[in-house]
Amino acid sequence: NAGVTQTPKFRVLKTGQSMTLLCAQDMNHEYMYWYRQDPGMGLRLIHYSVGEGTTAKGEVPDGYNVSRLKKQNFLLGLESAAPSQTSVYFCASSYGLAGVDEQFFGPGTRLTVL
Amino acid sequence: AQRVTQPEKLLSVFKGAPVELKCNYSYSGSPELFWYVQYSRQRLQLLLRHISRESIKGFTADLNKGETSFHLKKPFAQEEDSAMYYCALLYGGATNKLIFGTGTLLAVQP
Repeated sequence: NAGVTQTPKFRVLKTGQSMTLLCAQDMNHEYMYWYRQDPGMGLRLIHYSVGEGTTAKGEVPDGYNVSRLKKQNFLLGLESAAPSQTSVYFCASSYGLAGVDEQFFGPGTRLTVL
Repeated sequence: AQRVTQPEKLLSVFKGAPVELKCNYSYSGSPELFWYVQYSRQRLQLLLRHISRESIKGFTADLNKGETSFHLKKPFAQEEDSAMYYCALLYGGATNKLIFGTGTLLAVQP
């Protein structure tokens, strides 16, 4: 099992460009999450999904969109990148057992917006 | 609103010394708390959860509802314990969302 994988590992964008980050998991998990990690701020939840075809906003959703067309994939889109979106992005997934669930994390994508 | 506070950005100790990483939380419901760890060049992973009441790699954490704390402790630090540690609180009912603290970097000196 590969677990949670993220594509790409690194990316540099210019302001206003768009891109999509791909998260894939092979553990048949129901729940998937996108976080951003910034120095001194920990991990903050951007969007999440509790099942195929569903998405919901987290703490910091502005400027991002997501889609969960297939259970194993969770896509994070930046329509018009801004320097404030320079960050390390982590995807996570979990089975969806309320209250006791462990989240499994991907290796992260380091994004720089110039 | 829910909140997790880790007051120390960096904790430096010598090998063999006791370690205590502090975590305080604010939550109106019944708290479910976790410690996640990120070793150098590795992905974030679960270290322990309070509901299990287990010891992992010599680490323990006790939930103190009166002090709203969930401090991580180890009696004798090892160099391989050097890592970034995040305290996290489960919220949002069945959505299993986590809110993380800002993290504490533990540096164990030889």
